[in-house]
Amino acid sequence: GAGVSQSPSNKVTEKGKDVELRCDPISGHTALYWYRQSLGQGLEFLIYFQGNSAPDKSGLPSDRFSAERTGGSVSTLTIQRTQQEDSAVYLCASSFIAGGAKNIQYFGAGTRLSVL
Amino acid sequence: DQQVKQNSPSLSVQEGRISILNCDYTNSMFDYFLWYKKYPAEGPTFLISISSIKDKNEDGRFTVFLNKSAKHLSLHIVPSQPGDSAVYFCAASAGGGTSYGKLTFGQGTILTVHP
Repeated sequence: GAGVSQSPSNKVTEKGKDVELRCDPISGHTALYWYRQSLGQGLEFLIYFQGNSAPDKSGLPSDRFSAERTGGSVSTLTIQRTQQEDSAVYLCASSFIAGGAKNIQYFGAGTRLSVL
Repeated sequence: DQQVKQNSPSLSVQEGRISILNCDYTNSMFDYFLWYKKYPAEGPTFLISISSIKDKNEDGRFTVFLNKSAKHLSLHIVPSQPGDSAVYFCAASAGGGTSYGKLTFGQGTILTVHP
C-alpha cells in the first residue's frame, strides 16, 4: 500500500497486560513519529525516529512505554503493564525527513487501544 | 503547558460562506506551521502549511495567514462545502535541536458546513 499502515486497528486489553502496536511507514520515508489522541484531546507527541535512532523521546509518558524501529522501516510501540489511562488512539506518521519544510507528516488511521 | 491553542472547539458555517479557523501559539521558536484535517476513524490529512518567513500561503480554496507579532495563524476556506466538515488541527514545529521533527498540535476545531 502507498500509505502509512498501522496494526491492529483496534485492541482491547486487560489492565496489567502488555501490548504491541505496529507501524509500517511510507516507503522511502526516513522519519517516523508516534502520537496519541485521548478522548476530546489534541494529538500528543510521544517519540520520533530519524532512521533507527530516536532523537526525541520526550513525550513518552512513563518508562512503561518504549518504541523501536529496525531497518529504517517498521516501528513497534510497546506499552507494558497497561493502565486505564493508556486508553487512546495511537497514531503513527512518517515523513521524507524530519523537520523544516519537508516535514509534512502523513498519518495512518491509528490503533484504538481500550484498557479494561 | 499548551503551546498551541485552538480556542474554538466548534464552528458552524453555511455552504458557500467563508470558514475561518483560528490558532494561537506561545513558543517563539516555532518556525513552521501546518493545518491538518481529520475525518472520524481516519488519521489526520495534511492540508496546507506556512513557513515563518511568509505571512500568507494559498492553495485553491484554502489560505493560511500568519501574524508572527501576535503569534496567531488562521485558516480561511472559501467557499465552504459540506465535504469540508471535519476536525481541523493546527500544528507547529521548531527548527533546530533534537525536537526538529516534533509537531505540537492544538486541540482541534470541529467544522460543520450546512448545505
